[in-house]
Amino acid sequence: AQSVTQLDSQVPVFEEAPVELRCNYSSSVSVYLFWYVQYPNQGLQLLLKYLSGSTLVKGINGFEAEFNKSQTSFHLRKPSVHISDTAEYFCAVSRFGGSQGNLIFGKGTKLSVKP
Amino acid sequence: SQTIHQWPATLVQPVGSPLSLECTVEGTSNPNLYWYRQAAGRGLQLLFYSVGIGQISSEVPQNLSASRPQDRQFILSSKKLLLSDSGFYLCAWSGIRSGGANVLTFGAGSRLTVL
Repeated sequence: AQSVTQLDSQVPVFEEAPVELRCNYSSSVSVYLFWYVQYPNQGLQLLLKYLSGSTLVKGINGFEAEFNKSQTSFHLRKPSVHISDTAEYFCAVSRFGGSQGNLIFGKGTKLSVKP
Repeated sequence: SQTIHQWPATLVQPVGSPLSLECTVEGTSNPNLYWYRQAAGRGLQLLFYSVGIGQISSEVPQNLSASRPQDRQFILSSKKLLLSDSGFYLCAWSGIRSGGANVLTFGAGSRLTVL
């Protein structure tokens, strides 16, 4: 079975500073990896996904993530954050050829950007 | 383009009362449909998913049930709510297979408070 660990439940950062949100996964088979963002009282929006190919994936709003198979990680980064990036971020994993309900989410990281 | 609607957006119900949350998808056919629950500090929990009309898979035993009476309609129900049913309920759909991955698009959510 797959599992996802988001190492930080909360990350406070000042505006224009860089940020990294950490995600590690556990799986005995190849996986697809995702990052979703949730703004207060809203649904989740896909930020980016890794399916295959280049291990550096670029998403919306200036975010990027790097798939590291040896470290089983998929950390999310942004070089300079804005107040509007304040939200909760979820890492998720699904395995190749899995059933339709096999997307597993981490518990989320709340990013708080301060002026 | 595809859109997903959930209602009601917020709901306050007494313990023991029934529940019905509705989700509809527009602009696609034969989507996979999902219900997730998000409780404080517990991340996202998959409750049910459906790959077609009348086909429901339950991931977590509980006093909730789901139905799919039409291709693009997914309903979450309960006959008698418990306090522990409080949470933010998210409907999602997938249908565009991107390299075989299950990429979900979420609705805006329904916040249920059971008193």
